[in-house]
Amino acid sequence: KNEVEQSPQNLTAQEGEFITINCSYSVGISALHWLQQHPGGGIVSLFMLSSGKKKHGRLIATINIQEKHSSLHITASHPRDSAVYICAVPQINNTDKLIFGTGTRLQVFP
Amino acid sequence: GAGVSQSPSNKVTEKGKDVELRCDPISGHTALYWYRQSLGQGLEFLIYFQGNSAPDKSGLPSDRFSAERTGGSVSTLTIQRTQQEDSAVYLCASSLVFLAGRGTDTQYFGPGTRLTVL
Repeated sequence: KNEVEQSPQNLTAQEGEFITINCSYSVGISALHWLQQHPGGGIVSLFMLSSGKKKHGRLIATINIQEKHSSLHITASHPRDSAVYICAVPQINNTDKLIFGTGTRLQVFP
Repeated sequence: GAGVSQSPSNKVTEKGKDVELRCDPISGHTALYWYRQSLGQGLEFLIYFQGNSAPDKSGLPSDRFSAERTGGSVSTLTIQRTQQEDSAVYLCASSLVFLAGRGTDTQYFGPGTRLTVL
């Protein structure tokens, strides 16, 4: 069964700073998901990636399949980026069931 | 278009009572997932429906938990004889499965039902 670790657990930043959140997993996967959970509790899927890099606005996600590691970067961070960021991977091969990291709580101050 | 909806948004119940939580997935989505998020904890998989296949119930924590999905659409999660440790936010997600068994489909989450068992 896959295991997921995220770091850091908590992160504070000043507006404008570059943010990096890391995710490591133990078993080879077909795809990794990054999710965002706002203070109100709603969860939004940010990225699903299986190789290389994806970019959406100020968010960039990268994955290194060989090292079983992914990073989520936020450029020019803004207070509205404050949320919990969660990575998730399939529990084992050949499954759609996901296992989730415990999340990184980001607070961006103006 | 409409996203995933869940009802009720909040439910307070007494220990020992049964509760039903409802999920309306996005129309046309063949996969539906139930998750639980306890206070300060990560998301925990409960059960997964995919098309007409038998549901994957491997995440249900006890036989007090059950779920059904009628007509391939609406799903109900039932917790019988609720306990205080059942208090959590119960989240539903749905996805349009392009390639089953790969974990490569984007899941769309509902707003959750916050269950409090007194």
